Amino acid sequence: EVQLLESGGGLVQPGGSLRLSCAASGFTFSTYCMTWFRQAPGKGLEWVSDIHGNAGISGRASNPFYADSVKGRFTISRDNSKNTLFLQMNSLRDEDTAVYYCAKRRAFNGYDVDYWGQGTLVTVSS
Amino acid sequence: DIQMIQSPSTLSASVGDRVTITCRASQSISSWLAWYQQKPGKAPNLLIYKASSLESGVPSRFSGSESGTEFTLTISSLQPDDFATYYCQQYIAYPITFGQGTRLEIK
Repeated sequence: EVQLLESGGGLVQPGGSLRLSCAASGFTFSTYCMTWFRQAPGKGLEWVSDIHGNAGISGRASNPFYADSVKGRFTISRDNSKNTLFLQMNSLRDEDTAVYYCAKRRAFNGYDVDYWGQGTLVTVSS
Repeated sequence: DIQMIQSPSTLSASVGDRVTITCRASQSISSWLAWYQQKPGKAPNLLIYKASSLESGVPSRFSGSESGTEFTLTISSLQPDDFATYYCQQYIAYPITFGQGTRLEIK
């Protein structure tokens, strides 16, 4: 059974930093694209960042991808030895307040989301 | 960026009704579209991928179709569990984008 368990959310002041984690189990983590989405209170879904899985002869993943709204402030990474996805969030703004979802994509390089975590709430406020 | 225009934003219907939600892409996305259902306080759940493929475990009353850049989610006979918010998503190009959502309410 695929499970994705986010942690690390909480209250942070504007300009502060937070690191989210997502512990994955039930599938071969290294071979799938992983994604962070977010949803501001009462709003729709927003894609944040992708990191591809290992594929091909080289076994190396491509560079990560970011939404313009977080580029230069957020960094996605993964530790395939620990089946864990991360999102380092720096220079946080009020508008970053949202539930952040970790998600597994159907293939190594993307496609639809076949599994979602339960989400972790990040609140940016002074 | 590819814009996904979803309509209606709110839909009132009764148990047993057939309902249709539409999503129009601002440019060609081939069939790279998914539909998700989200209930309050919960993560989204995949219903349809590649425009018309039913995800495993999803009831057959849900179906998806496409015509050019217009995509449709149909629920053939609404059940009480179907009252939720529905989102379309394109995944052919970055940034990945969603429709604004359709809230399906009980009439």
